[in-house]
Amino acid sequence: DSGVTQTPKHLITATGQRVTLRCSPRSGDLSVYWYQQSLDQGLQFLIQYYNGEERAKGNILERFSAQQFPDLHSELNLSSLELGDSALYFCASSAASGGYPGNEQFFGPGTRLTVL
Amino acid sequence: LAKTTQPISMDSYEGQEVNITCSHNNIATNDYITWYQQFPSQGPRFIIQGYKTKVTNEVASLFIPADRKSSTLSLPRVSLSDTAVYYCLVGGGDTDKLIFGTGTRLQVFP
Repeated sequence: DSGVTQTPKHLITATGQRVTLRCSPRSGDLSVYWYQQSLDQGLQFLIQYYNGEERAKGNILERFSAQQFPDLHSELNLSSLELGDSALYFCASSAASGGYPGNEQFFGPGTRLTVL
Repeated sequence: LAKTTQPISMDSYEGQEVNITCSHNNIATNDYITWYQQFPSQGPRFIIQGYKTKVTNEVASLFIPADRKSSTLSLPRVSLSDTAVYYCLVGGGDTDKLIFGTGTRLQVFP
C-alpha cells in the first residue's frame, strides 16, 4: 500500500460526458501527479500540482483539467469524453521539496475509465 | 522532449542477473533517470533513481554512462516475484516534463 488513494476504482460512462477522478496523496506530500496509461500510448504524464499550484504540464488535453485543493487532495476533470479516453488514470504523490518533478513518486491503485 | 525506448520483453530464470536497458538520446542536462516496476492492475512502484555513473540500493543497480543517452537497470538474482513490467522515467530537470519509456515485460521462469 503506497498510501495514495484514488476514487472511484472503476468508472463507466458514455461519450460526451464529464467525469471527475479524485486522489488523496500520502500524508505530508505536497506534490500530486496525474498519469494516463493506455495500451496504445503507454504511460503518459499529464500534469503536476505542488501545494495547490500547477507545477509542470505534460500531454494533457484541453478537455482535461485538474486542481489541487487546500487539503492537498486533487481532482482530474475529464470532459467531452471520447472512446479514446478509455484508460487507467493514475495519481502519484511525492515529498520532494519545492515540487521538483523528478523525485520518487508513490502511485495510487488507479481509476479505470471506460467510455462507451 | 526526451524519447525513451526499451526492449519490449525479456525472459530469465530464477537466480540469474537481468539487465534492462533504456535509450534516452534527448535527455536534458538536469534530467534524472528513474526506474519503476509495475504489476498487473497496480500502480508503478519506485525501484531506483540516478543522474550519472552508478547507483545501488538493496534491490537493484543503475548504470548510467558518461553521455547519459542510455541507462541500464540491473536486477541481481531474480525470483518469480520479479515478473513484471519495468519502466524507465526520464525528466524532472530543465523541461519539467516526465517521459516514461515504452516498458519491458520481464518474465522469470523457475
